[in-house]
Amino acid sequence: DVKVTQSSRYLVKRTGEKVFLECVQDMDHENMFWYRQDPGLGLRLIYFSYDVKMKEKGDIPEGYSVSREKKERFSLILESASTNQTSMYLCASSLWAEGGDTSTDTQYFGPGTRLTVL
Amino acid sequence: QKEVEQDPGPLSVPEGAIVSLNCTYSNSAFQYFMWYRQYSRKGPELLMYTYSSGNKEDGRFTAQVDKSSKYISLFIRDSQPSDSATYLCAMSGGGATNKLIFGTGTLLAVQP
Repeated sequence: DVKVTQSSRYLVKRTGEKVFLECVQDMDHENMFWYRQDPGLGLRLIYFSYDVKMKEKGDIPEGYSVSREKKERFSLILESASTNQTSMYLCASSLWAEGGDTSTDTQYFGPGTRLTVL
Repeated sequence: QKEVEQDPGPLSVPEGAIVSLNCTYSNSAFQYFMWYRQYSRKGPELLMYTYSSGNKEDGRFTAQVDKSSKYISLFIRDSQPSDSATYLCAMSGGGATNKLIFGTGTLLAVQP
């Protein structure tokens, strides 16, 4: 079974603080993703990485950065937390297999971190 | 217009009912279609995966894809209270950097 773990389930931070959210997967997946989930807006992609040290912006990267120094670990950084970054943050990973294998594109999610910025 | 549209519900049904959940989409390049189930305060988990058009059945769950109408469905037979969750459709065009586009989710409550 794929396991994706996130460092915290609940986090409370103050405006202006630098916040680190950590995600680790144990299945040697190439791709890793960070989403935020808000009521009525669904899951929105913040950043993704398809290889170590590679990263690409998703749909809402403003105010965030990421780091992927090792294949299994993908960190989301809020440089200066703001109240509008209060949300559920979800990490996911997927294996990319050339040739259309059924495992292609399947993303496995962690349990989420509910971040509150005061 | 959003790329993927999904009725947010909530949808409340009695135990044993057949449930139909639906999504429409606008991007004809989508080839991979998924349904995720998300229990309260948990991350989404993959429920069904379909490539291109057609039906796929897994126990009480059936996923349908109609690419000509850009419409996908998830049917749950003999629904159980344990099926109460938010159901998210997701889809992508495939490829190495496989960005999934998600619907907003439908909240389902199965009443005992």
